[in-house]
Amino acid sequence: KQEVTQIPAALSVPEGENLVLNCSFTDSAIYNLQWFRQDPGKGLTSLLLIQSSQREQTSGRLNASLDKSSGRSTLYIAASQPGDSATYLCAVRPEETSGSRLTFGEGTQLTVNP
Amino acid sequence: GAVVSQHPSRVICKSGTSVKIECRSLDFQATTMFWYRQFPKQSLMLMATSNEGSKATYEQGVEKDKFLINHASLTLSTLTVTSAHPEDSSFYICSARAGPEKLFFGSGTQLSVL
Repeated sequence: KQEVTQIPAALSVPEGENLVLNCSFTDSAIYNLQWFRQDPGKGLTSLLLIQSSQREQTSGRLNASLDKSSGRSTLYIAASQPGDSATYLCAVRPEETSGSRLTFGEGTQLTVNP
Repeated sequence: GAVVSQHPSRVICKSGTSVKIECRSLDFQATTMFWYRQFPKQSLMLMATSNEGSKATYEQGVEKDKFLINHASLTLSTLTVTSAHPEDSSFYICSARAGPEKLFFGSGTQLSVL
């Protein structure tokens, strides 16, 4: 059974700081890995999706890397802003299933202080 | 981008009543929708996969008679929590698949059972 772990569970940083969120998964047989943002009491917004054959994806100040063999992914946020405060979730899609069945980590709650 | 509308956003009900949650894809057709449950400070847990025109597929441990799922059209899936009890209080989120790699989430429903 796939298990996804995110470290740290919570992180508080001053505005402008660069930061890294970590995600690890136990079964490396994944189709892709996705990072989401969730604001309090809200749904999820997809940030970056990395296919299993890819090493990284970038969007603006966000960069996500994937090391499939070691079961790890990182989300790098450059020059953090208060508006980045949210919970960040990573999720993996397994190889063997059709559709978009995802296994989520428990998230990292990020607070960026002005 | 594609929009998934989920209603209601918040519902409070008495123990023993039934609650219906709607998930609509507003600008695309979704043959597959997913229902998740999220307890405070925990990850999203997949409850069931809803396929248009067929019976939903439930995850292990999810009672199909308690959580009724109907996906009668390509743009609407409903989750009915029957005879709700306080332990059913949770945040319920739906997602809809718009393409092979495109998954969009609703804004969630906070259910509180008194």
